[in-house]
Amino acid sequence: DSGVTQTPKHLITATGQRVTLRCSPRSGDLSVYWYQQSLDQGLQFLIQYYNGEERAKGNILERFSAQQFPDLHSELNLSSLELGDSALYFCASSVTGLDSPLHFGNGTRLTVT
Amino acid sequence: AQSVTQPDIHITVSEGASLELRCNYSYGATPYLFWYVQSPGQGLQLLLKYFSGDTLVQGIKGFEAEFKRSQSSFNLRKPSVHWSDAAEYFCAVGGSNFGNEKLTFGTGTRLTIIP
Repeated sequence: DSGVTQTPKHLITATGQRVTLRCSPRSGDLSVYWYQQSLDQGLQFLIQYYNGEERAKGNILERFSAQQFPDLHSELNLSSLELGDSALYFCASSVTGLDSPLHFGNGTRLTVT
Repeated sequence: AQSVTQPDIHITVSEGASLELRCNYSYGATPYLFWYVQSPGQGLQLLLKYFSGDTLVQGIKGFEAEFKRSQSSFNLRKPSVHWSDAAEYFCAVGGSNFGNEKLTFGTGTRLTIIP
């Protein structure tokens, strides 16, 4: 058990809808990272937050947004969903940045129909 | 831009045989390098990492990797594989610069172990 909790585990929704994925980092970890894993794109970095502030941005679509709350949990919001957004979304946390180990959650599998 | 190449999509080895998984990276400065393992339905688990210093790093589960700057490589090795090592292995590169903390992953190598 990595200590990183992601909910829900599975999500099935229709095109055009909006969903929210939630991540609770390991106790004491200040950084939260979001990744998307799909068969055609592999593991893609989306965004990183550190202690509530955005720290690094990757290939995150404008339809996607994220935030980290004062209690350090994070949410990834996906809107106007398309079939191509179907993927496994991982959250990872670390104490500070990449100089400390990243611990990954088990992911949320999103299926858009 | 940073990138990682894992040239082997799928590798099959016999239990007890040695293993080497290849990884080549592109990064503008001294990189942070990582190997992660993913079992089906699971998240990624860190096997080992290289930040600086000794170029041969030891990890968990008997794995090791060697950083070779001249070849831009960070190959993962294990002297004797066990059936439980069957999984997907990802090499990743990242940096410590504020605002550039993204970890870029390779496409992964699927390892199959045969008895």
